[in-house]
Amino acid sequence: NAGVMQNPRHLVRRRGQEARLRCSPMKGHSHVYWYRQLPEEGLKFMVYLQKENIIDESGMPKERFSAEFPKEGPSILRIQQVVRGDSAAYFCASSPRTLSGNTIYFGEGSWLTVV
Amino acid sequence: AQTVTQSQPEMSVQEAETVTLSCTYDTSESDYYLFWYKQPPSRQMILVIRQEAYKQQNATENRFSVNFQKAAKSFSLKISDSQLGDAAMYFCAYRSAGGKTSGSRLTFGEGTQLTVNP
Repeated sequence: NAGVMQNPRHLVRRRGQEARLRCSPMKGHSHVYWYRQLPEEGLKFMVYLQKENIIDESGMPKERFSAEFPKEGPSILRIQQVVRGDSAAYFCASSPRTLSGNTIYFGEGSWLTVV
Repeated sequence: AQTVTQSQPEMSVQEAETVTLSCTYDTSESDYYLFWYKQPPSRQMILVIRQEAYKQQNATENRFSVNFQKAAKSFSLKISDSQLGDAAMYFCAYRSAGGKTSGSRLTFGEGTQLTVNP
């Protein structure tokens, strides 16, 4: 049973370019979460999605960041016009349900470097 | 809003010894979950142990156990017989048990870097 799959693992972008990070949840999981980890800091919640729905985006920056989880295919975290401050590790996680307390499982992260 | 505090940025332990990592949290909720995650140099987030707030019994997973003090809002992790492979950043995390959105997110502490000395 494959775990949460993220790609790319490492991505380098120049300032002003777009970054797209992809996440395939564990088999049987329909809930996806994105977290960001800035250097030397803990993980911060960004967004929670179910298929075709954004449930909670209270942790997303108001501009340049968007996320989707289409009916088919992986979840995408999109960062437009990247700036140096976007350099971070972006973790995707998934769970089968939220209200039962099921554990959230993390992918291996995608490291974005903006040069 | 819930907050999680880890007051020890760094800890060290001798191989085969026992170490305890501290975590406190602040919440007005009565039902929630607490977790310890480990992040080794590979940076992957690995679940170490989980505790349901409604359970009085402390969770245990092999060499890892917790001391859950609900009234004090304390959730410490004890690692027994420490091994070199235990060296990592350890994060304490809180998750609400209620609500469609409030039960979705994990709130993390800032982490404790554990060094295991041979």
